[in-house]
Amino acid sequence: KAGVTQTPRYLIKTRGQQVTLSCSPISGHRSVSWYQQTPGQGLQFLFEYFSETQRNKGNFPGRFSGRQFSNSRSEMNVSTLELGDSALYLCASSLGQGADYEQYFGPGTRLTVT
Amino acid sequence: AQTVTQSQPEMSVQEAETVTLSCTYDTSESDYYLFWYKQPPSRQMILVIRQEAYKQQNATENRFSVNFQKAAKSFSLKISDSQLGDAAMYFCAYSRFSGGGADGLTFGKGTHLIIQP
Repeated sequence: KAGVTQTPRYLIKTRGQQVTLSCSPISGHRSVSWYQQTPGQGLQFLFEYFSETQRNKGNFPGRFSGRQFSNSRSEMNVSTLELGDSALYLCASSLGQGADYEQYFGPGTRLTVT
Repeated sequence: AQTVTQSQPEMSVQEAETVTLSCTYDTSESDYYLFWYKQPPSRQMILVIRQEAYKQQNATENRFSVNFQKAAKSFSLKISDSQLGDAAMYFCAYSRFSGGGADGLTFGKGTHLIIQP
């Protein structure tokens, strides 16, 4: 069974631009979570989607948004990019919602904002 | 808000020896989950072990075991017979026992584990 895939793997954007990252969960998984990893702040929860609905959101500004499609694939969007948005963005999928289900992580998208 | 603290930024151990990584957390919840994740240089996070707070028995997975002290809010990871492939960043994480809700994982800052051959 294929694992979680994230595209693109690397991305360079300019301050002020917007970016869309994609995550394809493991087949059959209905929940997708997003995390931001930076050297300074570490790993931080962005949001989780289950059945196309955002179930919970971390403490991030409204510039960070996401969505989930009927096939469980998810995208996250960051508008008006700032230098501090440079990070590794990790996606994780699970069969169901919540910590009862093991989360499987993708390889991440490395975003660099210049 | 829940917090997770890993006080050891880096640990080093000789191959085949045993090492213990420390983690403490703060929560007002009585039911929750605790995890140890491994992140090798490839950056792919891998679940090492999981502990449900309502279970008194410490979780074990082959060479990996935890020492869960609920009253002390301590959750350490012991790696026995360390192997070169164990070299990675190790993250301790907490999740509320959501019973269907979703709160995400709260991670510690990580411990960089070095295995000396």
